Amino acid sequence: ETGVTQTPRHLVMGMTNKKSLKCEQHLGHNAMYWYKQSAKKPLELMFVYSLEERVENNSVPSRFSPECPNSSHLFLHLHTLQPEDSALYLCASSQGLTGTQYFGPGTRLLVL
Amino acid sequence: LAKTTQPISMDSYEGQEVNITCSHNNIATNDYITWYQQFPSQGPRFIIQGYKTKVTNEVASLFIPADRKSSTLSLPRVSLSDTAVYYCLVGVPYSTLTFGKGTMLLVSP
Repeated sequence: ETGVTQTPRHLVMGMTNKKSLKCEQHLGHNAMYWYKQSAKKPLELMFVYSLEERVENNSVPSRFSPECPNSSHLFLHLHTLQPEDSALYLCASSQGLTGTQYFGPGTRLLVL
Repeated sequence: LAKTTQPISMDSYEGQEVNITCSHNNIATNDYITWYQQFPSQGPRFIIQGYKTKVTNEVASLFIPADRKSSTLSLPRVSLSDTAVYYCLVGVPYSTLTFGKGTMLLVSP
């Protein structure tokens, strides 16, 4: 599915590294989301952007920093992560905040 | 928030019909019921959404009784590729799209 793309698909980083995850949606949506899915845990909503404005931050540590430069792109900047931050990071988009969310394939992150 | 309860796992065989029931006793008037499918290491994929009675698409059917306190996702004639986790979600605003643990469906030959 090419509606929502995420890069990279896999990422290994040390605790002192700085990296960024990228999400791009080709669906003409105006809302975008970041989720975290740890092993054997439900998806956790991290950030929500609507019309390029952040509308929710679910008590996420400051080592995760989102950026939404336009309605088609969403970034998650990572710095000084911890091993417990290793997870599948999923991006989604929707038309309006009540629209059906379409997910990207995710980025599998491993923090060493 | 309307909390959902669904079986942790289900087993089936190829060619059978599978029905996964979700309980949502506290569903609100404006809430919709949405089902997602997720394969390992992939993002969830929207399957079907409904408000009441029955909804059918090319993939599944969704049955919702009049009281809307439960819903049943029906997958006709499953195949091995339908092995996945199925999530039932209730709500409208994004903040109520809380994914629970879902139902792990295992389809065997």
